[in-house]
Amino acid sequence: DQQVKQNSPSLSVQEGRISILNCDYTNSMFDYFLWYKKYPAEGPTFLISISSIKDKNEDGRFTVFLNKSAKHLSLHIVPSQPGDSAVYFCAASGGDAGGTSYGKLTFGQGTILTVHP
Amino acid sequence: SQTIHQWPATLVQPVGSPLSLECTVEGTSNPNLYWYRQAAGRGLQLLFYSVGIGQISSEVPQNLSASRPQDRQFILSSKKLLLSDSGFYLCAWSSSGGWGEQFFGPGTRLTVL
Repeated sequence: DQQVKQNSPSLSVQEGRISILNCDYTNSMFDYFLWYKKYPAEGPTFLISISSIKDKNEDGRFTVFLNKSAKHLSLHIVPSQPGDSAVYFCAASGGDAGGTSYGKLTFGQGTILTVHP
Repeated sequence: SQTIHQWPATLVQPVGSPLSLECTVEGTSNPNLYWYRQAAGRGLQLLFYSVGIGQISSEVPQNLSASRPQDRQFILSSKKLLLSDSGFYLCAWSSSGGWGEQFFGPGTRLTVL
């Protein structure tokens, strides 16, 4: 049961344009969402997060949008740079009415972003 | 500042051999600790998590086990490795009172032959 899905395995974007990475979830109890960036043979690096009480969070070139009714979130990168090329994972936490999730994250499968110069 | 270490960075082991991967965290106390595996071409699968010394929860049945002998030390083990245990193993920590951001170590690439 894949509770967090990234349906696009890969995305190719021209430098300077916008990159939009999408993520869908099925568990309505999730209340906190995160995006991570991962280079090959390295651990994921935390990028940006959003709680379910918000619908947008912005940090520099990165903006995360949350649509709770659609159970959908997206990461916008503007402008895209070649150094942004990496695998991007969305993740969700919560989903436990008893509050015992202990910060466990459920990850999507990842989307490979390639930004061409 | 907090740092997380994992070793070894790479490991090649024969089928049936034992495994011990170590993870340590510095600069924080009483963290939640996690072990993940990333199989080739797939996402991150949570294997174990721990909220305190000696407290281990397993997320999926498997050939692996975890232990937390000290507050900031997390160990992943196996008595007999299988070919399917190959993958990229990641340790992560989060603040016990935090929102859920997890911070990952550099990972260990395990190849079982």
